[in-house]
Amino acid sequence: DARVTQTPRHKVTEMGQEVTMRCQPILGHNTVFWYRQTMMQGLELLAYFRNRAPLDDSGMPKDRFSAEMPDATLATLKIQPSEPRDSAVYFCASGLEVGRTDTQYFGPGTRLTVL
Amino acid sequence: QQQVKQSPQSLIVQKGGISIINCAYENTAFDYFPWYQQFPGKGPALLIAIRPDVSEKKEGRFTISFNKGAKQFSLHIMDSQPGDSATYFCAVPETSGSRLTFGEGTQLTVNP
Repeated sequence: DARVTQTPRHKVTEMGQEVTMRCQPILGHNTVFWYRQTMMQGLELLAYFRNRAPLDDSGMPKDRFSAEMPDATLATLKIQPSEPRDSAVYFCASGLEVGRTDTQYFGPGTRLTVL
Repeated sequence: QQQVKQSPQSLIVQKGGISIINCAYENTAFDYFPWYQQFPGKGPALLIAIRPDVSEKKEGRFTISFNKGAKQFSLHIMDSQPGDSATYFCAVPETSGSRLTFGEGTQLTVNP
């Protein structure tokens, strides 16, 4: 049963610390998305990769957030330095884009708390 | 960028009743209109989706009705069950690529 995996599942850190979240997309998928979910803002798209190339990161605060795909099996989202307002659940999703929009498969999320 | 309006924000239905959630979009959308279901502590998961060449799609108790001219689509849950209690998101694609813009979500509670 193929699924998106995310680590860690929970992270508590102090303001100013670096946070790294990891995602393993479903094997064979060519798109990866990072979302942030909060009660106030719903599901916000932070970054979007196709074939490991970043296509859209306009939703990300550029001064502190960065997203990369070192290889096809790993996507990372880093926050440096972290702030209390970054507290949220971060989801990674992957999909297979072949000419048209299709299903995004979400991971279980990383719940981040910044004190 | 796509603008998506979802309503209502929350919905309480009795077991056996019909749940209806609506979604409206502004820009001309592409080719795919999904509804995602999210249980507490889990990531959203695709529930049902429709392509714009049909006006309705039914899967079990779940039906999407699509009105392309009005730029609206809705989710109907027939014979709602307590296990349907979750947050539901509509999503609309951008004009190209796989990017989806999600609605604000509807928290559905089905009372036994």
